[in-house]
Parts: sequence; structure tokens; C-alpha cells
Amino acid sequence: DIQMTQSPSSLSASVGDRVTITCRASHSISNYLHWYQQKPGKAPTLLIYAASSLDSGVPSRFSGSGSGTDFTLTISSLQPEDFATYYCQQSYTAPPFTFGPGTKVGIK
Amino acid sequence: MQLVESGGGVVQAGRSLRLSCAASGFTFSSYGMHWVRQAPGKGLEWVAVMWYDGRKESYTDSVKGRFTISRDNSKNMLYLQMNSLRAEDTAVYYCARDQVVYGDYRDYYYGMAVWGQGTTVTVSS
Repeated sequence: DIQMTQSPSSLSASVGDRVTITCRASHSISNYLHWYQQKPGKAPTLLIYAASSLDSGVPSRFSGSGSGTDFTLTISSLQPEDFATYYCQQSYTAPPFTFGPGTKVGIK
Repeated sequence: MQLVESGGGVVQAGRSLRLSCAASGFTFSSYGMHWVRQAPGKGLEWVAVMWYDGRKESYTDSVKGRFTISRDNSKNMLYLQMNSLRAEDTAVYYCARDQVVYGDYRDYYYGMAVWGQGTTVTVSS
């Protein structure tokens, strides 16, 4: 099975900062890579699918890039509502649908 | 569009529990459906999927032979029968809907677009 890793596991940032989160797959997954946001006590929500396509209603400050094994999620200007944990997930070998371990974005 | 899970609770190790997920606001029979769980303080773990028409299902290795996913498209319901529960099955269990209809998971460029609020399962040893 394909393994997913994310870095960093956590970060602290200020409102207005540019934030970049990395996701790496153990084998090439083309662009079958999706990003989710989860706030404490809430269900995850889909942000980006197919590595770079924004889901409906997702603010344009979120963007995704990458292909193969290395992917990034970028928040161009961090807003107060963006403090959350972010997960990547692959669907190249689905099933299984493997999630990364998550990156927690906290307030500096 | 809404998914509402129920059936969670506290159960002794080795016992069984059945989770339910009620769907509304979309054509349930057109979408593949998943169960995803999250242990306390941990990340997301995909558990199982059932194809939109119920013809196929798949599980993560740790639940194979113990959990069974099923659906009733006439009732817009998804289920997860959990047998031989272990302490490590303790988690919040979410049901989630595919992003697009008729997913066959070959060349599947899509994620899970609708999630329920989750139901908590605690397995006591």
C-alpha cells in the first residue's frame, strides 16, 4: 500500500502569513491527491481535489500543487478561520483511501 | 445535503455494535459511501467503502473479517456492523459521500465531499 507523510506535523503562524504544507507519497500517485481541513470537534471538509482543483465554495487563498510523489497546500494569507488541521489523502490505489497524518496550523 | 450518524456508544471488548448513517438532500443511490474513523487525538483513518450500487465493498486491513459495510438504497441508509470489537477500534466514526456519482475508483480523481458529524464508539477492555 502507498504510505503518505506530511510535513511539518505542526506549525505556528500569524494572520496574514503565507503557509505551505507538504504531503509526500511513498510511490507516484500522479495527481490523485486531495486535501481536507478539520477544525476541533468538527468533521473534515474537502478543500482541494486532484491536487490543484478547489472544491466548490473554498476561498481562493487556498491552492494546491504537485504531481507524482510531492504535493503542497498553500494558504496565501492565513485568516483566523484557517487555524485547523489539514490532511492529504490519495485515491490512486483506492481502495484503500490513505490519509496523511495531518498538519496542525496553530496561532503564533 | 446531509449525513447523520447514529448507533455509537460504550461497548465491551469482543462485543458488537451497528452504526447507521441517514442520508438526505441528494440521490443516495448514485454515490459511493465510506466510513472513516478518528481515534482520540489521532488522525483520520479510512475504514470501508461500498460502491454506489452495493455491488462491491472494501475494507482497511485492520477491520477485515470483523466489520461489514452495507447500504439500503431504498431507505437512504448506510450501515457499519462491527463485530469482535477491540480497544483500538475506539474512535469517532464518520460516514462520508463520494464527490461524484457512479465512482468506480479506477482513475478516481475525486475526494469525499460530504461528511456527517460523527458518532463516538468507545470499546472498554
